[in-house]
Amino acid sequence: RKEVEQDPGPFNVPEGATVAFNCTYSNSASQSFFWYRQDCRKEPKLLMSVYSSGNEDGRFTAQLNRASQYISLLIRDSKLSDSATYLCVVNLGSTGRRALTFGSGTRLQVQP
Amino acid sequence: NAGVTQTPKFQVLKTGQSMTLQCAQDMNHEYMSWYRQDPGMGLRLIHYSVGAGITDQGEVPNGYNVSRSTTEDFPLRLLSAAPSQTSVYFCAIEREGREQYFGPGTRLTVT
Repeated sequence: RKEVEQDPGPFNVPEGATVAFNCTYSNSASQSFFWYRQDCRKEPKLLMSVYSSGNEDGRFTAQLNRASQYISLLIRDSKLSDSATYLCVVNLGSTGRRALTFGSGTRLQVQP
Repeated sequence: NAGVTQTPKFQVLKTGQSMTLQCAQDMNHEYMSWYRQDPGMGLRLIHYSVGAGITDQGEVPNGYNVSRSTTEDFPLRLLSAAPSQTSVYFCAIEREGREQYFGPGTRLTVT
């Protein structure tokens, strides 16, 4: 089983739709979580951190479910510019050796 | 790009050639990392550094060397390029042990 798993998609949604992605992680010791956005042929960019109580940034809402070991990203009122690949990142948080693990990404295509 | 620069942007090598991918930052962050990204594989950690003079191996270190003589620079060396090293390479800096900021990447093709 992969340490971080995402549905690769693509998710094809119309403009204005609400779409949600899930990401599961295997290590219960994971301490911090992030969502990154990656446009085609570009570098990943931090979209938002995921906090235990859930957090919102405009149209984006991230949630963490430690019991079931998954994080989610909800995008409301989708825009064409939201089309990208969304990467889930999990940090084990152990000192010394780096412990960031990236999912393979979920591709979103917002259609007019 | 949060002050992370990478050169070159594109490179084509023949099998067996060596080269160095450059990464520089102006943010004075201690943590720097090198990743490769292949279709369907996600980002995989090659090497990382927790500060000047300290480096360690990541998930896929074979065929690559790194050094960290200064806080600013973290070059990645391909010793003898192989077609399996065709990939996109990203350098990243890390803010206080949390999220990372990536450079624009180097697209490498080995023929």
